[in-house]
Amino acid sequence: DAGITQSPRHKVTETGTPVTLRCHQTENHRYMYWYRQDPGHGLRLIHYSYGVKDTDKGEVSDGYSVSRSKTEDFLLTLESATSSQTSVYFCAISGQGRDQPQHFGDGTRLSIL
Amino acid sequence: GESVGLHLPTLSVQEGDNSIINCAYSNSASDYFIWYKQESGKGPQFIIDIRSNMDKRQGQRVTVLLNKTVKHLSLQIAATQPGDSAVYFCAETYAGNMLTFGGGTRLMVKP
Repeated sequence: DAGITQSPRHKVTETGTPVTLRCHQTENHRYMYWYRQDPGHGLRLIHYSYGVKDTDKGEVSDGYSVSRSKTEDFLLTLESATSSQTSVYFCAISGQGRDQPQHFGDGTRLSIL
Repeated sequence: GESVGLHLPTLSVQEGDNSIINCAYSNSASDYFIWYKQESGKGPQFIIDIRSNMDKRQGQRVTVLLNKTVKHLSLQIAATQPGDSAVYFCAETYAGNMLTFGGGTRLMVKP
């Protein structure tokens, strides 16, 4: 398995609270991605990073921000969580380009009450 | 725990039979395709990929077929085993753009 660790694996929180999810990789890959996975929608890209301090939006970026201060860490923040952000969040990495195979972590199940 | 859609198409096969999972794509310019397997409570796992200059590619017990004429991709699994039970989905891209993921098919293997 690719060296990707997501933390926490499970989190329950309340509407309006800030939440930060962490993705840590040991592969020294350039690209990192955050997806959410919901019934009926498949994987949808939230944000991605193509290097330290270089990030861009995906198709469902509203309400989310990201930061990448080191190659190995990519953080996803929900500034003020809403119930519509209840989902399973996956981090992925790829080494050579956006169209290369992405390798995924095991996800964070986030419930916002 | 459940991490994928509740209303996915389902393919049920007998252990030892061959499985064929299909994926239709809409962009005729797509030039790279990947199949992923996702087990319950886990992240998607890369199985096999194929580029548009090929029609077929084989891996260990898996074969991917690409029919560009009808924009169709299939994954064949030989001698299906209980450990193959999972959700399978395809991803596509073109010209170095971001991957687009399909909704998935649930494969259930009966012992």
